[in-house]
Amino acid sequence: EVQLVESGGGLVKPGGSLRLSCVGSGMTFANYSMVWVRQAPGKGLEWVASISASGFNIYYSDSIKGRFSISRDNAKHSLYLEMSSLRGEDTAVYFCAAARTFDYWGQGTLVTVSS
Amino acid sequence: DIVMTQNPISSPVTLGQPASIFCRSSQSLVHSDGNTYLSWLQQRPGQPPRLLIYKISNRFSGVPDRFSGSGAVTDFTLKISRVEAEDVGIYYCVQSSQLPLTFGGGTKLEIK
Repeated sequence: EVQLVESGGGLVKPGGSLRLSCVGSGMTFANYSMVWVRQAPGKGLEWVASISASGFNIYYSDSIKGRFSISRDNAKHSLYLEMSSLRGEDTAVYFCAAARTFDYWGQGTLVTVSS
Repeated sequence: DIVMTQNPISSPVTLGQPASIFCRSSQSLVHSDGNTYLSWLQQRPGQPPRLLIYKISNRFSGVPDRFSGSGAVTDFTLKISRVEAEDVGIYYCVQSSQLPLTFGGGTKLEIK
């Protein structure tokens, strides 16, 4: 059974930083491009960033460009999202998802940016 | 950016009856590789999204065959042949043919 498990969310002050992790199991992690998607409370889904299977190609949404950084460690079956200069509007549940067609999703981790 | 427009916003349906959800993109979703990367996701209350349909009409592993997808270029449809209670939730279309990836606003499926 494929599982993606996110961690690292929490309460952080505006301007602060946080690092999210996503660990995959039951899948050949290195074969999948990966995506971070977020969902603000009561709102729809928003793409944040993507990384190719090799990690060579990386893409960001304009709303987080320059503040967030996506990376992966295929040996550890892990995906990361380094978030800095956090703002209130970054408050959301952050999901990792596998593949260009969003085949598999984690349960999400909540990031709350508030003073 | 490609804008994904879904309708209806809300769809009350009687159990056992069919339901259709429509999604329109502001530009063609046909990728240069010939594929159309249009997926449908289901999000049940309190749950993460789940893939139902990918590349317009391909049912993902484990998805009941009452779900089907159709369409082309800019107009796409998700159909549920006979709605069951477990189908309650929000349905999203999403395009991954062009960056930035964009989602529809969602359609809330409710039971009458």
